[in-house]
Amino acid sequence: DAGVTQSPTHLIKTRGQQVTLRCSPKSGHDTVSWYQQALGQGPQFIFQYYEEEERQRGNFPDRFSGHQFPNYSSELNVNALLLGDSALYLCASSNGPANTGELFFGEGSRLTVL
Amino acid sequence: SQQGEEDPQALSIQEGENATMNCSYKTSINNLQWYRQNSGRGLVHLILIRSNEREKHSGRLRVTLDTSKKSSSLLITASRAADTASYFCATLYSNYQLIWGAGTKLIIKP
Repeated sequence: DAGVTQSPTHLIKTRGQQVTLRCSPKSGHDTVSWYQQALGQGPQFIFQYYEEEERQRGNFPDRFSGHQFPNYSSELNVNALLLGDSALYLCASSNGPANTGELFFGEGSRLTVL
Repeated sequence: SQQGEEDPQALSIQEGENATMNCSYKTSINNLQWYRQNSGRGLVHLILIRSNEREKHSGRLRVTLDTSKKSSSLLITASRAADTASYFCATLYSNYQLIWGAGTKLIIKP
């Protein structure tokens, strides 16, 4: 039973570029949440996808967008990258959007913006 | 910034000692969860405690919840080197959004 998988694990971009990060949820899960974690900080909620729709969104600009596919996998897109977007991006999956149970996290995608 | 509060920010103890970390939150919650994160890796769920529960145990972990003080504590007994990690609490509010603390960095010295 595969857990949550994320790709790529590491990537380097320059300011102004665009990036796409991918996440496959744990088998049986239908909800994907994305988090940004700066070094030494706690995770910051970006958004959550359920039934191919964005259900909740944190305090992130429109440069951050996402998508969920019929197989429940998800993508996070960030446009016009800024130096401050350098962080570990974590994907978490769950059963349903209510967050009433535990989240299962992937190992993250570490983005460096130069 | 959407973050709860955890203390201490960092904790260094000898192997075999107990470690206690605390989490405070603002308003009434549905549940509170604790997670562990090894350096730069994904988070791993430890324990979930619901608002109507006061204490839960899992192996060497004990979590308490005091809704009157809006706080929770995580106790790790008989610490081991492998417990070295950052520990985060996440609180679930009525809008079903999880709010995360800034974490406690725990170092276990051999």
